[in-house]
Amino acid sequence: EPEVTQTPSHQVTQMGQEVILRCVPISNHLYFYWYRQILGQKVEFLVSFYNNEISEKSEIFDDQFSVERPDGSNFTLKIRSTKLEDSAMYFCASTRDRVGYEQYFGPGTRLTVT
Amino acid sequence: AQSVTQLGSHVSVSEGALVLLRCNYSSSVPPYLFWYVQYPNQGLQLLLKYTSAATLVKGINGFEAEFKKSETSFHLTKPSAHMSDAAEYFCAVSEGGGSNYKLTFGKGTLLTVNP
Repeated sequence: EPEVTQTPSHQVTQMGQEVILRCVPISNHLYFYWYRQILGQKVEFLVSFYNNEISEKSEIFDDQFSVERPDGSNFTLKIRSTKLEDSAMYFCASTRDRVGYEQYFGPGTRLTVT
Repeated sequence: AQSVTQLGSHVSVSEGALVLLRCNYSSSVPPYLFWYVQYPNQGLQLLLKYTSAATLVKGINGFEAEFKKSETSFHLTKPSAHMSDAAEYFCAVSEGGGSNYKLTFGKGTLLTVNP
């Protein structure tokens, strides 16, 4: 069964460093999302991406964040200068169509900023 | 704006007992509603979804949920809990437009099943 994959599973970085979180969505999916879950809190929407552009972003997704689909398979989230409060589990999700279709989630990348 | 409230951050049941996890939503338009389950160290897996067809929705692993518009609820139930049901459960609503349809999640309910 096709699945969304994410790498790495755990990333430790120092404050101020850049990190890139990678996702490979399901191959025939067209809509892509990043969510994050700070420990003990709910899963929060960060950004949605369709047709090679951002379709919506939350207030969390400030200028330090960017997303890219550099080729036909990868979908990346970059944080330019990490802060302590960026420590969270980051989930990538994809869906084939938007109307009534469930989003398929990857296993997540746990980002720890020290 | 859409929102989800899950009553009870932790629910504990005995094996074989009824499972009831509560979810109330707020949405300005007819919503799409989902229940996801997260096992330890794993991603989110879809249990079931409501997309304006039947109000009683059956999902995987014996779970079902009923959409009640008058109560703005979408509670998750299972007649008989199994040890393998122990996990965190998230209710989510989607009401985007255009090319979005982002999910808004509740805070989650941790289900513990006691032998």
